[in-house]
Amino acid sequence: DVKVTQSSRYLVKRTGEKVFLECVQDMDHENMFWYRQDPGLGLRLIYFSYDVKMKEKGDIPEGYSVSREKKERFSLILESASTNQTSMYLCAAGGGVPDTQYFGPGTRLTVL
Amino acid sequence: GQQLNQSPQSMFIQEGEDVSMNCTSSSIFNTWLWYKQEPGEGPVLLIALYKAGELTSNGRLTAQFGITRKDSFLNISASIPSDVGIYFCAGRHPSNTGKLIFGQGTTLQVKP
Repeated sequence: DVKVTQSSRYLVKRTGEKVFLECVQDMDHENMFWYRQDPGLGLRLIYFSYDVKMKEKGDIPEGYSVSREKKERFSLILESASTNQTSMYLCAAGGGVPDTQYFGPGTRLTVL
Repeated sequence: GQQLNQSPQSMFIQEGEDVSMNCTSSSIFNTWLWYKQEPGEGPVLLIALYKAGELTSNGRLTAQFGITRKDSFLNISASIPSDVGIYFCAGRHPSNTGKLIFGQGTTLQVKP
């Protein structure tokens, strides 16, 4: 199985701060994804990447950017954190078995 | 856009009971997947389905890809306390490559 790790399990930031969420996968999968999870809304796709230096917007990209400089690493950036970005952020990797995605443990971000 | 409707939203059952949940869409999907998320963790893949009518089991879990390609269900037989968690369905629309759409989740609680 793919192992996906995320840099922090819990993070508390202040409004206006720049926030970096890091994700690393230990297999050679091409695809990586960032989701946010909110109660009653399921998982919503923020950005995804099919290759190094490649990125595509998901369903809710506003207020976020991403970076993929190496195949195994996919970073989510909040340029200026706001309270409505308080959420659980999940990273996933996939591309081996068709359509399957493997998730990291998540980062619970609180913006005060 | 494509949406998945997952029901029920929550279930509170007695240990030993069978559980059934389903996911429906207004458009066809090429792939259906079922995930389980335990508190404080990322979702874990349970079952992946790739063909209409396909029925697949994983221990006490059984999932089916609907014949119309617009729905899927997950059954859990003889529930136990460790079945507690949020169960998500996810599907891939033919127009998407690698991207998944997620349902809102079914929260399952099991009373010993």
